[in-house]
Amino acid sequence: AQSVTQPDIHITVSEGASLELRCNYSYGATPYLFWYVQSPGQGLQLLLKYFSGDTLVQGIKGFEAEFKRSQSSFNLRKPSVHWSDAAEYFCAVGLNDMRFGAGTRLTVKP
Amino acid sequence: EAQVTQNPRYLITVTGKKLTVTCSQNMNHEYMSWYRQDPGLGLRQIYYSMNVEVTDKGDVPEGYKVSRKEKRNFPLILESPSPNQTSLYFCASSPDRVWTEAFFGQGTRLTVV
Repeated sequence: AQSVTQPDIHITVSEGASLELRCNYSYGATPYLFWYVQSPGQGLQLLLKYFSGDTLVQGIKGFEAEFKRSQSSFNLRKPSVHWSDAAEYFCAVGLNDMRFGAGTRLTVKP
Repeated sequence: EAQVTQNPRYLITVTGKKLTVTCSQNMNHEYMSWYRQDPGLGLRQIYYSMNVEVTDKGDVPEGYKVSRKEKRNFPLILESPSPNQTSLYFCASSPDRVWTEAFFGQGTRLTVV
């Protein structure tokens, strides 16, 4: 069955520390891949997307993601987290429609 | 301005009272979709549409109906709402089937008592 999995429900990191949020997908073909962020009470904001080509994708707010076909993964990274990055992060795939993972809530410790 | 507009933004209703959440986009997009967002479950797709009069069930269609009589509008209908449909609902649209671009509405917070 087609699915998007975010294994980590909640992650806590200290401000200034690095961050990696995991995303795995299970699709027959390589889908189009996205990361969205949702701040409390807000809508969804696109961080970055991958369609083809270079497997390391740069996004807004200093985020990047790496597509690994062999692992069916599209993990999101940031070298140094800021307190304002605290939010919920969703991985999504697009192939005929758009499906989302369950989300990872990020808490940033001062 | 390109946008997806949902109404209402907030709604409190009683069990069994039919309601409609409207969704309208001004970008002439063919593809539209409805999601519900619940804590710990992410956004789950309710229904989607690939064009006028073409709709299909998503992962959680039970208790919902949709229609697509015009390209711009994709209303979500709850014929007999129940408390387990209390949720945050998002409508989205895209110009293509792989959703290379997705536009989201601001969300509708529905409470069914």
